[in-house]
Amino acid sequence: DAGITQSPRHKVTETGTPVTLRCHQTENHRYMYWYRQDPGHGLRLIHYSYGVKDTDKGEVSDGYSVSRSKTEDFLLTLESATSSQTSVYFCAISGGFEAQYFGPGTRLLVL
Amino acid sequence: AQSVTQLDSQVPVFEEAPVELRCNYSSSVSVYLFWYVQYPNQGLQLLLKYLSGSTLVKGINGFEAEFNKSQTSFHLRKPSVHISDTAEYFCAVSDQIQGAQKLVFGQGTRLTINP
Repeated sequence: DAGITQSPRHKVTETGTPVTLRCHQTENHRYMYWYRQDPGHGLRLIHYSYGVKDTDKGEVSDGYSVSRSKTEDFLLTLESATSSQTSVYFCAISGGFEAQYFGPGTRLLVL
Repeated sequence: AQSVTQLDSQVPVFEEAPVELRCNYSSSVSVYLFWYVQYPNQGLQLLLKYLSGSTLVKGINGFEAEFNKSQTSFHLRKPSVHISDTAEYFCAVSDQIQGAQKLVFGQGTRLTINP
């Protein structure tokens, strides 16, 4: 299995508070991705990174920001959490176009 | 933009029966296709992928898929399923942006195996 960890694995927070999720990889892969998974929607891309300090928006980026200061870490921040951001968040990594490998996920509940 | 349609949201089958999970994608000049499996409370695991070459792709756990360009389909098959195959299965198609691989997922098919 690809070396990907996500933290925290579970989080409960209140509306309006900032939240940061961390993805850490030990594979030295160039590309990293954040997805959210919601029933009936499959997985949808939030943001991705194609190198240190190089990031771009995905399909559902509103309300989210990301940062990548080191190859191994990709942070997802919800500046002011809303109930619509209750979801399961997955990080993924890839070395190129061959495939993406996913982390175990973070369950976020915004009350 | 690419899109993926998984034609069945749920598929119940009996143990040791064959199964086919259907996936159609929007056409593109070049396409990379993937099937992922998600067991309860876990992340996604790559089952198989089509990048080029032979249209019949074999993956892990006895699964295979056939790329059909004319029908824009990438159906997943297994000749004999086991209880342990109970999971949700996702088909995905890839776009490339700045070298990154932007995956577009279908909504998923929940496979339930009955004894």
